[in-house]
Amino acid sequence: NAGVTQTPKFRVLKTGQSMTLLCAQDMNHEYMYWYRQDPGMGLRLIHYSVGEGTTAKGEVPDGYNVSRLKKQNFLLGLESAAPSQTSVYFCASSYGTSSRQYFGPGTRLTVT
Amino acid sequence: GENVEQHPSTLSVQEGDSAVIKCTYSDSASNYFPWYKQELGKGPQLIIDIRSNVGEKKDQRIAVTLNKTAKHFSLHITETQPEDSAVYFCAASRSGSGYSTLTFGKGTMLLVSP
Repeated sequence: NAGVTQTPKFRVLKTGQSMTLLCAQDMNHEYMYWYRQDPGMGLRLIHYSVGEGTTAKGEVPDGYNVSRLKKQNFLLGLESAAPSQTSVYFCASSYGTSSRQYFGPGTRLTVT
Repeated sequence: GENVEQHPSTLSVQEGDSAVIKCTYSDSASNYFPWYKQELGKGPQLIIDIRSNVGEKKDQRIAVTLNKTAKHFSLHITETQPEDSAVYFCAASRSGSGYSTLTFGKGTMLLVSP
């Protein structure tokens, strides 16, 4: 099992450009999450999904959109990237509420 | 919403010493408390978790204690080794009705010197 995978690993964008980050899990988990990690800020939840076709906002959702068309995939989109979105993005998945979350290796995004 | 405070932000110990990281939470309904270890350039990895019906849990050199009354929980690492050097995060959430997602502390950088 690959667990949780993320693509791409690194990306540099110019302000105003768009991109999509892909997360895939092969553990048949219902719940999936997108976090961003900034120095000294810990992990902050952007959006999450409690099942295929459903999404919900987390702590810092502005400027991001998500989709969960298939149970195993969770996409994070940036429609118009801003320098404030420079961060490391982590995807995670779990069986259910208060279940162990398994994290992917992360995507380092720089917006210039 | 939930607020999780984590201390210290950095911790330096000698190999073989013990290390303790402490977290406090604000939501008395929180009932799930995991700890994650993050090595440089990698994603966080769960190392131990505890639920509110248990006061202490051990796994080899790692233990977690929970004080529900005081709303704090701690990670204890004994006989530290250089490979324990990493950033550690605590988190809290509640399950069941009124489910909440995990709220993370800001992390503790643990440095173990040989």
